[in-house]
Amino acid sequence: EAGVTQFPSHSVIEKGQTVTLRCDPISGHDNLYWYRRVMGKEIKFLLHFVKESKQDESGMPNNRFLAERTGGTYSTLKVQPAELEDSGVYFCASNAAHNSPLHFGNGTRLTVT
Amino acid sequence: AQTVTQSQPEMSVQEAETVTLSCTYDTSENNYYLFWYKQPPSRQMILVIRQEAYKQQNATENRFSVNFQKAAKSFSLKISDSQLGDTAMYFCAFWVEYGNKLVFGAGTILRVKS
Repeated sequence: EAGVTQFPSHSVIEKGQTVTLRCDPISGHDNLYWYRRVMGKEIKFLLHFVKESKQDESGMPNNRFLAERTGGTYSTLKVQPAELEDSGVYFCASNAAHNSPLHFGNGTRLTVT
Repeated sequence: AQTVTQSQPEMSVQEAETVTLSCTYDTSENNYYLFWYKQPPSRQMILVIRQEAYKQQNATENRFSVNFQKAAKSFSLKISDSQLGDTAMYFCAFWVEYGNKLVFGAGTILRVKS
């Protein structure tokens, strides 16, 4: 089966610009998660979708971040406008059932200059 | 607060030798799952080993084993017969039962040298 795929693998943008990250979970996985790792720090939870519904978005840093999962398949995470502190690696993960192992994507490395 | 602490930012080990990565965590919950994830330089994070907190027996997975000390909230990973392919960033994490998120540590970079 295809794994979790993320696009792009790397994005470099200027402060104030907009970037949209995409995640395609494993087919059939209702649960989709976004995480972020800022350089040298721990990986932090951003939000959790169950199908198309946001189950928990308590980790979203601020209203410059918008996540969607229309149709309950792939998800997008948009940052608008980007700030320097948004730089980091954004991971997407999915699982089929609650408490089953998470499958992670390769991550998107976002650099805001 | 739920936190994970990995006190070793970087470690090195000679090929074929054994290395232990440390991890401590803090949670007030009694039922949870503990994990070690590995992220090689190619960047895809994969699950190495999983431990249910209600199980006293330490989990093992081939060359990987854990030392789980629930009272001390400690969950170390032992890698035996280290191989060059073990070079990666290792993350310790836990998931509270009925929770919906993994709580991660900051990671330990492990370099296996030939």
